[in-house]
Amino acid sequence: GAVVSQHPSRVICKSGTSVKIECRSLDFQATTMFWYRQFPKQSLMLMATSNEGSKATYEQGVEKDKFLINHASLTLSTLTVTSAHPEDSSFYICSAPGASGVQETQYFGPGTRLLVL
Amino acid sequence: EDKVVQSPLSLVVHEGDTVTLNCSYEVTNFRSLLWYKQEKKAPTFLFMLTSSGIEKKSGRLSSILDKKELFSILNITATQTGDSAIYLCAVGGGATNKLIFGTGTLLAVQP
Repeated sequence: GAVVSQHPSRVICKSGTSVKIECRSLDFQATTMFWYRQFPKQSLMLMATSNEGSKATYEQGVEKDKFLINHASLTLSTLTVTSAHPEDSSFYICSAPGASGVQETQYFGPGTRLLVL
Repeated sequence: EDKVVQSPLSLVVHEGDTVTLNCSYEVTNFRSLLWYKQEKKAPTFLFMLTSSGIEKKSGRLSSILDKKELFSILNITATQTGDSAIYLCAVGGGATNKLIFGTGTLLAVQP
């Protein structure tokens, strides 16, 4: 089946630094990828939709200048948390839809756990 | 506003018990309802339901959708400690044609 990878799986950084998370579709092309954030014991919250070759679409309440998304190729999307603060500590998950392009067939990456000290 | 609500929020049972998890939704342009199991990493897909009244089954897990009453249930029989996880319900559709996740149910199965 389709595989989505994320790197790094875990990152610890100091407050004020920027952190880049990569999401790759390994054996298929993804013109769209989704970025979610999940706080402990809570559900997944969609942050933004990453679109290859165009600007990302952000959900209401998500700061686009803080969470920079770049969909540079058909297999790679990156999320950069700029000037990270402790409240940004969370589990970040990306996903890519399957051939149909709708979210129901999406494949999730393994997630990146971010801890900001 | 589109929303998906799961209940209970958390549940503790003993091995061998049967559990029923609930998911209700108010979503425009409904397409499908999905159940996921999440342990320590990303969610893993369990079921996708699009039609009312048709039970989907996989081993000890089963699920059914009621599109008239706008809810779905996920049943787990003869629970095992390995069933301990967060169970997420998500609905495809909505005003923005995206997946909308519920709050999740945290299930703990004690030996």
